Amino acid sequence: EPEVTQTPSHQVTQMGQEVILRCVPISNHLYFYWYRQILGQKVEFLVSFYNNEISEKSEIFDDQFSVERPDGSNFTLKIRSTKLEDSAMYFCASTWGTGRENIQYFGAGTRLSVL
Amino acid sequence: GDSVTQMEGPVTLSEEAFLTINCTYTATGYPSLFWYVQYPGEGLQLLLKATKADDKGSNKGFEATYRKETTSFHLEKGSVQVSDSAVYFCALRDTGANSKLTFGKGITLSVRP
Repeated sequence: EPEVTQTPSHQVTQMGQEVILRCVPISNHLYFYWYRQILGQKVEFLVSFYNNEISEKSEIFDDQFSVERPDGSNFTLKIRSTKLEDSAMYFCASTWGTGRENIQYFGAGTRLSVL
Repeated sequence: GDSVTQMEGPVTLSEEAFLTINCTYTATGYPSLFWYVQYPGEGLQLLLKATKADDKGSNKGFEATYRKETTSFHLEKGSVQVSDSAVYFCALRDTGANSKLTFGKGITLSVRP
């Protein structure tokens, strides 16, 4: 069965450093998402991406964050200057469409630890 | 805005016990409702869904019914197994293009032999 792949599974970085989290969505999907879960808290929406542009973003997704689909397969989340509070599990998701029956498929997540 | 509230956890049950995990929601539109499950070391997997009122989603012995009158989508299973030990997330997706998922906090279920 097709799956969403995320790398790395765990990323450790120093505060102030840039990190790029990578995702390979399912190949025929058109809509892409990033979510995050701070330990012990809810899974929160960060951003959605369609047709090579951001379609929606949350208040969490400030100027420190950016997303890109650099080629036909990868979907990346960049954090320019990491803060301690960016430590979280980051999930990538993709779906073919946005009708009521469409399902978002998730990757296994990248655990980001900012020291 | 939209929100999902799940009962507090964790929950520990003996094998073959009955499971109920409560989930209620608030939404501005007419959402689709989902239960996702996360097994240790894995990503979020769709467990079941319901897209309109009174629909019952079911999968792997789990069931949940979309109750619009009580804005609820409680997850039930008649007889849990050790392999059901995981984190369970209730979520909604409101109407509209590019609709994001809004999740509850998740609840950890541990089933002991």
